[in-house]
Amino acid sequence: DQQVKQNSPSLSVQEGRISILNCDYTNSMFDYFLWYKKYPAEGPTFLISISSIKDKNEDGRFTVFLNKSAKHLSLHIVPSQPGDSAVYFCAAIAGAGSYQLTFGKGTKLSVIP
Amino acid sequence: KAGVTQTPRYLIKTRGQQVTLSCSPISGHRSVSWYQQTPGQGLQFLFEYFSETQRNKGNFPGRFSGRQFSNSRSEMNVSTLELGDSALYLCASSLGGLRYEQYFGPGTRLTVT
Repeated sequence: DQQVKQNSPSLSVQEGRISILNCDYTNSMFDYFLWYKKYPAEGPTFLISISSIKDKNEDGRFTVFLNKSAKHLSLHIVPSQPGDSAVYFCAAIAGAGSYQLTFGKGTKLSVIP
Repeated sequence: KAGVTQTPRYLIKTRGQQVTLSCSPISGHRSVSWYQQTPGQGLQFLFEYFSETQRNKGNFPGRFSGRQFSNSRSEMNVSTLELGDSALYLCASSLGGLRYEQYFGPGTRLTVT
């Protein structure tokens, strides 16, 4: 039973355009969400997070949107750069004090120069 | 500030043996979590330690165990290795409290033959 789903295994975007990565979740107890970027042979790199009390969080080129009623979040990257090409993971945490991350399967983003 | 370090980076073991992996968290981080990444199952939570106490455990058999020392360094042990234990094992550290962001090390690639 996959509680965090990233339904698009891959995404290709032209350099300079917007990249939108989507994530859906089923567990209503999730109250904190994070996005990670991963290059091959490296550990995931933290990008941005959002608490369930917010619906948007921005950090530079990265913006995360949360729609709690739809149990959906998305990561927007504007403008996309070739160095953004990586696998992006959505992760969720349930409950105060819990540090157990539940990950999606990831979306491979390719930014084409 | 130095990142999360993991040793060794690569390991080859034979079925039936045991293995110990080590993790040094970011200075000042008191929470250490372990994850297993495989092509089939993705990133899965193993366990989390805070102040030398295991606070959460994922759905893995008892062959997987861990501990945390007073300096927050952590080790995980896998006994009676099986072929299916071949994976990338990732350690992540976090400040703790209400800071849920976890920062990952480069991982240990374990191959069981």
